[in-house]
Amino acid sequence: LAKTTQPISMDSYEGQEVNITCSHNNIATNDYITWYQQFPSQGPRFIIQGYKTKVTNEVASLFIPADRKSSTLSLPRVSLSDTAVYYCLVGGTSGGSYIPTFGRGTSLIVHP
Amino acid sequence: GAVVSQHPSRVICKSGTSVKIECRSLDFQATTMFWYRQFPKKSLMLMATSNEGSKATYEQGVEKDKFLINHASLTLSTLTVTSAHPEDSSFYICSAEDGNIQYFGAGTRLSVL
Repeated sequence: LAKTTQPISMDSYEGQEVNITCSHNNIATNDYITWYQQFPSQGPRFIIQGYKTKVTNEVASLFIPADRKSSTLSLPRVSLSDTAVYYCLVGGTSGGSYIPTFGRGTSLIVHP
Repeated sequence: GAVVSQHPSRVICKSGTSVKIECRSLDFQATTMFWYRQFPKKSLMLMATSNEGSKATYEQGVEKDKFLINHASLTLSTLTVTSAHPEDSSFYICSAEDGNIQYFGAGTRLSVL
């Protein structure tokens, strides 16, 4: 199983861009990289998924270097409501069983 | 995105009783669902993998007789906490996979008195 490492916490201010990096040195060839957001007492919410290079959707961008050993979630112009815990997961069903395993996540606090 | 419904959102029960939590995939079929437990300010801990039509696969340290899982259809998995005790109080979350993406239920807050 690919293990992930993220910063435990980050602080930012409203309107700033936030970049959260996740290390996954033993990512497998078939693994995807998926990021989730979790608010207190709620289930995680899907943010974005990628395999390589860059992926962008309406809420975030995901940057994945060529070696795929890390990934960076970019949140443009954060607001107070982006205060949450962010998790990156590595894995995928193609090529075998997939056991989604959560790391410690990154607690992002956005200040006024 | 796909929707996973989890019910109830909150339950309070007396010690020694059993509690059932339902997890439904509303707009897709899921042969595999997952059950997690989360303590305050901690990450999600995988408890078991629920497989449609077969026995669940439990993670090490999780008592299968304590946490009964049934996955009788492609859209429904249930977790029953049997003979609940105060130490079973926690936040339980399920997920189901659509494509390569896990979609999560809103969670169930279990409080055992």
